[in-house]
Amino acid sequence: GESVGLHLPTLSVQEGDNSIINCAYSNSASDYFIWYKQESGKGPQFIIDIRSNMDKRQGQRVTVLLNKTVKHLSLQIAATQPGDSAVYFCAETPSNNAGNMLTFGGGTRLMVKP
Amino acid sequence: SAVISQKPSRDICQRGTSLTIQCQVDSQVTMMFWYRQQPGQSLTLIATANQGSEATYESGFVIDKFPISRPNLTFSTLTVSNMSPEDSSIYLCSARGAGGHGDTQYFGPGTRLTVL
Repeated sequence: GESVGLHLPTLSVQEGDNSIINCAYSNSASDYFIWYKQESGKGPQFIIDIRSNMDKRQGQRVTVLLNKTVKHLSLQIAATQPGDSAVYFCAETPSNNAGNMLTFGGGTRLMVKP
Repeated sequence: SAVISQKPSRDICQRGTSLTIQCQVDSQVTMMFWYRQQPGQSLTLIATANQGSEATYESGFVIDKFPISRPNLTFSTLTVSNMSPEDSSIYLCSARGAGGHGDTQYFGPGTRLTVL
């Protein structure tokens, strides 16, 4: 996985607004993608996943969009709530990876203002 | 989904000692992994824990420093050996292949290690 410095990119949104968290990936062979939410002091929590044969998938208040042409993934959170405040990681894995190991992005910190 | 627990949840250790972290999954899983996460950073894969055989280590991680066991399909341990302050980190257990969800990968709550 990748690692970045101590200062994660931060997205600050007002409670009730929609949030969009972006992720760029580099491996064109990646065909499975996951978004994780990590709250302070906890392990990453699975939010939603998508396969490369789809370009959109919806969950409860969350939508993941996949643009394979530009290798871009986004997570949209509708009506953001204070409980959504966390660090969000995207992860990818290619089908030709023998160990099917996930590669993690650097993470984005979402801060929700009441 | 798979529910993963880790013990201990945190520990403070002296330099030169070793700590073994246990990971228990509530169902049989195909694959188990160990990650390290420095504060404010992303996750770095240490190794894949293989059931009944030696773990597969990523570049920069070696068996002598991070011995791993996986005696069955639900349990694994990671030992951090001969610890130094640089080993202070969060260690995360992860599992994939539970309940028919082949690729979905779940994480435990992490073990927060501080080495003095």
